Amino acid sequence: EPEVTQTPSHQVTQMGQEVILRCVPISNHLYFYWYRQILGQKVEFLVSFYNNEISEKSEIFDDQFSVERPDGSNFTLKIRSTKLEDSAMYFCASAGVGRSYEQYFGPGTRLTVT
Amino acid sequence: KQEVTQIPAALSVPEGENLVLNCSFTDSAIYNLQWFRQDPGKGLTSLLLIQSSQREQTSGRLNASLDKSSGRSTLYIAASQPGDSATYLCAVFNYNQGGKLIFGQGTELSVKP
Repeated sequence: EPEVTQTPSHQVTQMGQEVILRCVPISNHLYFYWYRQILGQKVEFLVSFYNNEISEKSEIFDDQFSVERPDGSNFTLKIRSTKLEDSAMYFCASAGVGRSYEQYFGPGTRLTVT
Repeated sequence: KQEVTQIPAALSVPEGENLVLNCSFTDSAIYNLQWFRQDPGKGLTSLLLIQSSQREQTSGRLNASLDKSSGRSTLYIAASQPGDSATYLCAVFNYNQGGKLIFGQGTELSVKP
């Protein structure tokens, strides 16, 4: 069964560094998402992406964040100048119109900012 | 602003019991509702999706119901097993351009052998 994959599974970075989190969505899906979950807290929406542009973003998704679909298969989240409070699990998800926008999640990337 | 609440926060039951997890949401204008399972430190596995026009969905020992007008959904798990131990998350989808899922805080379920 097709699945969403994410790399790396765990990323440790120093405060102020840039990180890129990578996702490969399910191949025929059209909608792509990033969510994050700070330890012990709710899963929070960051951004949705459709037709090669951002369709919606949350208050969290400020100028520090950007997304890209560089080659038709990968979907990336870039975090510039990381802060301690960016430490979280980051989930990528994708959805196809034919499944009523059912979202399928990847296994997540655990980002630790030291 | 849509808010999703799940009760109880944690539940411990002996193996074999039937149980109900509750989810409530404040804005009934949802497109669909998904129930997920999350194992510790892992990703989210979609269990069931209910469209806003549907009343319930079933998959194996799981049955999810939706009462959109009252802003409630329940996940019924029949004949619980230790392997069902996990956190169960409810999320509503508000379609707006790209749409997004808004999550509850989850119910942590422990099934004792």
